[in-house]
Amino acid sequence: SQQGEEDPQALSIQEGENATMNCSYKTSINNLQWYRQNSGRGLVHLILIRSNEREKHSGRLRVTLDTSKKSSSLLITASRAADTASYFCATLPNAGGTSYGKLTFGQGTILTVHP
Amino acid sequence: DAGVTQSPTHLIKTRGQQVTLRCSPKSGHDTVSWYQQALGQGPQFIFQYYEEEERQRGNFPDRFSGHQFPNYSSELNVNALLLGDSALYLCASQPGRADTQYFGPGTRLTVL
Repeated sequence: SQQGEEDPQALSIQEGENATMNCSYKTSINNLQWYRQNSGRGLVHLILIRSNEREKHSGRLRVTLDTSKKSSSLLITASRAADTASYFCATLPNAGGTSYGKLTFGQGTILTVHP
Repeated sequence: DAGVTQSPTHLIKTRGQQVTLRCSPKSGHDTVSWYQQALGQGPQFIFQYYEEEERQRGNFPDRFSGHQFPNYSSELNVNALLLGDSALYLCASQPGRADTQYFGPGTRLTVL
């Protein structure tokens, strides 16, 4: 079963605009990760934020994490047509249990960036 | 440095048949995980192999089985295929208990 939900399910913007995607999850986590998938192929790891972090940046990406609300957001600034893809959040549960190493994905947000 | 590779790229089978998918991990990675991604959904964890043993398993029936070889490559076997097994099967590798998994391009399985 999926860990949580992503919002919106689809997002359509113009090049140069910012794109924000949200993710909610249900259980206690060790970290939360964001992946990108182009055209139904393999996933590419974008960024990881640990449960004791609140914000992280990588290039044009900014991720926030609110463990009290069990939610995260991914902001892509100054979007480009090449950013068109599906974006997934994935959670890794706390270590020590049998679920260690098992990534649980959301349903994804389809981002379309128009030139 | 080659990334994670999977074979075949596409596969068409009929109901009741058996299928074997293959995965070679990224160099230096000894842990392999398998995921099933149905159309329009996020990937779902099938199982993970480490040191040639299944370390964790998701909510998949026993028809799904796997193997890891001494060179860390892995196979996913699915018996008695159902129409609902049609999906993209993704392999991911990581070094030991690292947090980040590196995904292969996937094998698209169609069951007719």
